[in-house]
Amino acid sequence: GENVEQHPSTLSVQEGDSAVIKCTYSDSASNYFPWYKQELGKRPQLIIDIRSNVGEKKDQRIAVTLNKTAKHFSLHITETQPEDSAVYFCAASISARQLTFGSGTQLTVLP
Amino acid sequence: DGGITQSPKYLFRKEGQNVTLSCEQNLNHDAMYWYRQDPGQGLRLIYYSQIVNDFQKGDIAEGYSVSREKKESFPLTVTSAQKNPTAFYLCASSTSGQDEQFFGPGTRLTVL
Repeated sequence: GENVEQHPSTLSVQEGDSAVIKCTYSDSASNYFPWYKQELGKRPQLIIDIRSNVGEKKDQRIAVTLNKTAKHFSLHITETQPEDSAVYFCAASISARQLTFGSGTQLTVLP
Repeated sequence: DGGITQSPKYLFRKEGQNVTLSCEQNLNHDAMYWYRQDPGQGLRLIYYSQIVNDFQKGDIAEGYSVSREKKESFPLTVTSAQKNPTAFYLCASSTSGQDEQFFGPGTRLTVL
């Protein structure tokens, strides 16, 4: 089955700097790659996703890039703010329903 | 995401007891899922259901059971066969033709 590895497990950045979180996946048949944000004690919420026919997608300060050849995808957050502090999860899906999640990255934005 | 509810928020169970976690959605979603989340780990799929009266095992189904008698409801039973049930359990749903999964608020289960 699919295996997703996520790095780093923790990331601290100064407010206003950029943050990058990287994930690799094992199954080349995966075609859907969402990113979820989970604040402490709350439910995960989708922040951005990308499909395998697209190399990059942006939504304001958030962007995701996908390299199908290398089987990795990354989340980029620019101009970080304290409210960006949370745990971020990447995921990959073959059938568009059975998501396999990475282990998460705790992002801390320092004021 | 307010259309998915889970109850209770906190649940305590004695060893050897079965316990059922509730998940209800009023989003008219076809598919529903159960995930388990342990500290410092990602979400792992327990069971999922794409239509009423049908469900499939996920990666960690052993010790769990589900039913899908109604479109709106997908209860999860944690049986005594689950050796390490203490965890945060998340239910999710999605609609046909869309990949995004919407999550409920979760149930934190503690075995005493």
